Amino acid sequence: EDKVVQSPLSLVVHEGDTVTLNCSYEVTNFRSLLWYKQEKKAPTFLFMLTSSGIEKKSGRLSSILDKKELSSILNITATQTGDSAIYLCAVVYGGSQGNLIFGKGTKLSVKP
Amino acid sequence: DTGVSQNPRHKITKRGQNVTFRCDPISEHNRLYWYRQTLGQGPEFLTYFQNEAQLEKSRLLSDRFSAERPKGSFSTLEIQRTEQGDSAMYLCASSSPGRPPGQYFGPGTRLTVT
Repeated sequence: EDKVVQSPLSLVVHEGDTVTLNCSYEVTNFRSLLWYKQEKKAPTFLFMLTSSGIEKKSGRLSSILDKKELSSILNITATQTGDSAIYLCAVVYGGSQGNLIFGKGTKLSVKP
Repeated sequence: DTGVSQNPRHKITKRGQNVTFRCDPISEHNRLYWYRQTLGQGPEFLTYFQNEAQLEKSRLLSDRFSAERPKGSFSTLEIQRTEQGDSAMYLCASSSPGRPPGQYFGPGTRLTVT
């Protein structure tokens, strides 16, 4: 069965901490992995990863894919209260871009 | 606003009624997706259109669910004979095979079936 597993499911940190969120997957014919941030409403796109070992960066957020380990990590440095959200990992697989499966997400709470 | 829009934003209906939701994707995006999200879960894929063609349909989508995208622009998702288990957030997303990558989500329609 195709699946995406995120860990931890929830995390509480203090402002200024660095966090690492994990995503592992088991799918047929992997195509790409996406990270999203979801606050109160719909997910907003963060990164798309297709190649192993190439880090994507956006400000304090960075992510990397390891196809050998079938996993990805999302790092957030110098966390701020505004980083509090659910971070979703999704994998595109199969023969059509419609095959997208999401993990359950990691709920990050950043305390002042 | 040039993002994905969805209407209505909230819908409360009685069990057994039919409901219809609308999604307007980003104008240059030819791909449109519907997802359902319940509390504590990531979005679950329901169906996918490329232009007006419905190319994928999840096993989650029972016969009571139907989606259309008649002119390859906006899409509608209809649920017939709603059940309490249909209560969820229904998310629409759009994308283009070009850049920027990723699917862009609308704000969602929250359905409550009483």
